[in-house]
This record gives sequence, structure tokens and C-alpha cells, in this order.
Amino acid sequence: SQQGEEDPQALSIQEGENATMNCSYKTSINNLQWYRQNSGRGLVHLILIRSNEREKHSGRLRVTLDTSKKSSSLLITASRAADTASYFCAAASAGNNRKLIWGLGTSLAVNP
Amino acid sequence: DTGVSQDPRHKITKRGQNVTFRCDPISEHNRLYWYRQTLGQGPEFLTYFQNEAQLEKSRLLSDRFSAERPKGSFSTLEIQRTEQGDSAMYLCASSAIGLGPLNEKLFFGSGTQLSVL
Repeated sequence: SQQGEEDPQALSIQEGENATMNCSYKTSINNLQWYRQNSGRGLVHLILIRSNEREKHSGRLRVTLDTSKKSSSLLITASRAADTASYFCAAASAGNNRKLIWGLGTSLAVNP
Repeated sequence: DTGVSQDPRHKITKRGQNVTFRCDPISEHNRLYWYRQTLGQGPEFLTYFQNEAQLEKSRLLSDRFSAERPKGSFSTLEIQRTEQGDSAMYLCASSAIGLGPLNEKLFFGSGTQLSVL
């Protein structure tokens, strides 16, 4: 299958809480990326972590990568209602970097 | 606006008709991708261009689908003899080759939502 796996499929939290999403993949990778998608819109790149990195921060986002477990997590701290969206991980295969392997996404609802 | 633009945003067509979508990438980006996405799924790779050359095409793409990028700028995706199973969001993305494989990230358009009746 082309798809990676994300967990959970859906997450509902209150504003101000932290949200954690997990992603697993099967191949060796050059990098792993997280994207956000609002309903009916295109995807927006959030953060990229290279295979030789273990953790990366960008504003309220924290991404970790464990290449031994072939997994990554995205943490959104102090969530806001505007963070409500679907979040996708995409793994850039070391063998074919041009074709990203996408997860099924986590649908996040942040309730005011 | 310097982002990726797609036209039209929505397309409703009858089964058997041909449809064509257009994508204008970010001007300095030489890589252009087409993806398809259905509800509850991640994007599915369709095809990829570097400048005007179509370098890869998904095996999932039937011969009813064709894409062009004639001058290495905008691209079109045509679906001939549409079927109900073609109903999906068609996404275009572009990227810059200069960043190298470790850093390449995609910039997406808002997509074209196709409904085949």
C-alpha cells in the first residue's frame, strides 16, 4: 500500500490542551513532513524533519522522529480552535524521494 | 498572489464527458506534481514533471488520464470519458529543485473538486 499509518484517526480536545498525533511508515526515508489540510482545501506544509534529526520545533509545533521504530509524532501545544483541521504525515522515501508516502491523516477538532 | 493556483475549484460533469484542469505553480518552481484525494484518505500520487518533462506516472493512472506541461510552467490534467469513480479532489503541488532531496517540500493549490454524475 502507498499509505503510511496515522494514529489516532480522529482527536477531539478542548482549547488550550495539547494534541499529539502519531505516524508510522515502512521504508527508509530521507525526511518526514507534516501537512495540514482545512476542509475542502489544499494541504499546507507545516514542518520537515530530516532522517538524521530526532526532534524539531516550530512555534507551537514539536515533531519527533524515531527511525529505528519508523515512527514520528506531531505535538501541537496550547491548541486553538483555528487548529481544527486534518493533519497528514508524508515520508520521503530514500529510494524515490519524489513520491511521498502519505498517511491517512488525523482529524483534529479543537473545541472552544 | 504567488501561491499555486488551480482552476476550476469545482467541476460537475456527466459520466462519459471529458474534463480538463489547470494548475499554475509558483513561478520559480520547476517540479510539479498532480495528486488525487478522496474523502478520508491521504493524497494519492498521479504524476510528476520536472520542467516540461513528465518523469513519472502512477501505474494507477489509466490511459484516460493525461497530463502536460508544455512550456515548463502551467500544467493541465485531462480526464477522458469520465467515470463516477473519478470523483475526487485533484491537487496540484510544486516545489523547487534547488533545495535538494533532504529538504524538498511541496506547496499545494486549493484543488479542483470533481463530481461525476
